[in-house]
Amino acid sequence: DIQMTQSPSSLSASVGDRVIITCRASQSISSYLNWYQQRPGKAPKLLIYDASSLQSGVPSRFSGSGSGTDFTLTISSLQPEDFATYYCQQSHIARTFGQGTKVEIK
Amino acid sequence: EVQLVESGGGLVQPGGSLRLSCAASGFSVSSNYMSWVRQAPGRGLEWVSVIYSGGSTYYADSVKGRFTISRDNSKNTLYLQMNSLRAEDTAVYYCAKMIVGAGYDAFDIWGQGTMVTVSS
Repeated sequence: DIQMTQSPSSLSASVGDRVIITCRASQSISSYLNWYQQRPGKAPKLLIYDASSLQSGVPSRFSGSGSGTDFTLTISSLQPEDFATYYCQQSHIARTFGQGTKVEIK
Repeated sequence: EVQLVESGGGLVQPGGSLRLSCAASGFSVSSNYMSWVRQAPGRGLEWVSVIYSGGSTYYADSVKGRFTISRDNSKNTLYLQMNSLRAEDTAVYYCAKMIVGAGYDAFDIWGQGTMVTVSS
């Protein structure tokens, strides 16, 4: 099984901050990495697919990069509605999610 | 509007069975990859099962042999039959439509989820 490890598990940030979340796969997954946002009590929302492709309707302040085993999600300027939990997910072999990164208000 | 609506969750005893339904609108279930993803209370997301447009099905090791994914094209509905339920199957179950590209896939449309509680 491919394990996905996100860091940090949580972070505190202020509106306007640049936020970077990392995701590491236990083996190479090429670019088959997706990012989701989940607000409390809501279903996840697809932000980025295939490592760097922005899902339709998602603000351009979200971006993704990486390939192989190391990936990042960057929020260029954190907005109030961005406080949520973020998950990475690989689709190279079966599907596996990271444990999540909770972004909280500082 | 593209939408997924799950139903069928509830309280069931260990060893029992439950069938979840996911009614789709705005697109065809049979023409898309469809999955079930679950989330235990206070925990992260776990992929459960997928059915491809061609009909092939795959399962997470944690549910293999106990859960069955299927679809009814005439009703445009996805199902998850869950047998031999265990306490660790307690979770919100989401159905999700998938987008597929050159080697990748992702969950682009999600339902609101249905809660399954396995307890005596």
